[in-house]
Amino acid sequence: GNSVTQMEGPVTLSEEAFLTINCTYTATGYPSLFWYVQYPGEGLQLLLKATKADDKGSNKGFEATYRKETTSFHLEKGSVQVSDSAVYFCALLVFTTSGTYKYIFGTGTRLKVLA
Amino acid sequence: EAQVTQNPRYLITVTGKKLTVTCSQNMNHEYMSWYRQDPGLGLRQIYYSMNVEVTDKGDVPEGYKVSRKEKRNFPLILESPSPNQTSLYFCASSLSWGPLEEQYFGPGTRLTVT
Repeated sequence: GNSVTQMEGPVTLSEEAFLTINCTYTATGYPSLFWYVQYPGEGLQLLLKATKADDKGSNKGFEATYRKETTSFHLEKGSVQVSDSAVYFCALLVFTTSGTYKYIFGTGTRLKVLA
Repeated sequence: EAQVTQNPRYLITVTGKKLTVTCSQNMNHEYMSWYRQDPGLGLRQIYYSMNVEVTDKGDVPEGYKVSRKEKRNFPLILESPSPNQTSLYFCASSLSWGPLEEQYFGPGTRLTVT
């Protein structure tokens, strides 16, 4: 079946440190891949996306590359800020056998950045 | 301002007392969805709707009902809430349903059933 596996958190980093949050997936067909971010007390919002193999999504200094050979979509940022503290969700969008599209979310990784 | 709104934001109720959580979007989106978020489980889809009068079950539909009588509204109904429905609920919408579509999320409703 379709699934998403994220690294467990929390991840605690100092400001300006390098960030990697791992995400791997299992899917039939060719899913689109997304990273969503949830700031405290808010709903999720799209951070970046990639729709085909080798695509790189980027936004606000974050990047992730769609790696079909390793079924991965790891999130990276070169220098984190305190304001990046949030929960990050990896998600895939698959086309189902019933003819609809469906989002599948990972369990989320909490990032805490210390000043 | 383009947004998805949910009401109420917080709700404490007792077992068996019917409740409705409202969801409204002002973006003329066709696709709307309800999720629940639980620790260690991420977001799980409850129900979704591809357009007016078209709804279908997600992964965890038991104990919930929905309706889509107007394009902008997609209420979530708990006919007889139970403590295992204590959770954080999110409504989301997107312009349509397809591989490029971003979902827009509401701010969440924290429900406690005692």
